[in-house]
Amino acid sequence: AQSVTQLDSQVPVFEEAPVELRCNYSSSVSVYLFWYVQYPNQGLQLLLKYLSGSTLVKGINGFEAEFNKSQTSFHLRKPSVHISDTAEYFCAVSYNTDKLIFGTGTRLQVFP
Amino acid sequence: EAGVVQSPRYKIIEKKQPVAFWCNPISGHNTLYWYLQNLGQGPELLIRYENEEAVDDSQLPKDRFSAERLKGVDSTLKIQPAELGDSAVYLCASSPVGTGNQPQHFGDGTRLSIL
Repeated sequence: AQSVTQLDSQVPVFEEAPVELRCNYSSSVSVYLFWYVQYPNQGLQLLLKYLSGSTLVKGINGFEAEFNKSQTSFHLRKPSVHISDTAEYFCAVSYNTDKLIFGTGTRLQVFP
Repeated sequence: EAGVVQSPRYKIIEKKQPVAFWCNPISGHNTLYWYLQNLGQGPELLIRYENEEAVDDSQLPKDRFSAERLKGVDSTLKIQPAELGDSAVYLCASSPVGTGNQPQHFGDGTRLSIL
């Protein structure tokens, strides 16, 4: 079955430290990958997407992610986080269809 | 560009009562989605529309849930009767077309609480 796994339910980090949020998906021939961010009491906002081409994708707010086909991963990274990055982050996969499958989310908590 | 608009933002009702949610997608977006988001979980698709046609409603509990998208623009999602387990956030999203490479744009959701 098609699935997305976000192994870390919570990631605490101090301000200005680097962070990596992990995402793994079940293997498929063709896949589109997305990261969304959800701030409290808001909907989901697109951070970045991988459709094809370069495996390193840059998004908004200084985030980037790397598509690794052999490891079926799409980890999200930021070299230096801010307090304002505190939010829930969702990895999502589309297996060449219109249907998005979401992971269970990772709560990023940034401390001063 | 105006985003996806949902109303109401919050709704509190007693169990067994009916409730309805409304969604206005981004202008020109043909594809509209309704998602259910339980606490601590990612969104799960309830129904997808291409224009006014429901093309995927396999996850919609049809005994109590219904949806419509008249004229292929606005959409409403209804629950009747509501049960305690329906307490969740209901998200609406839209995209220009329903292909896998199109990002979906989300509204702020309706938070439903059942007493």
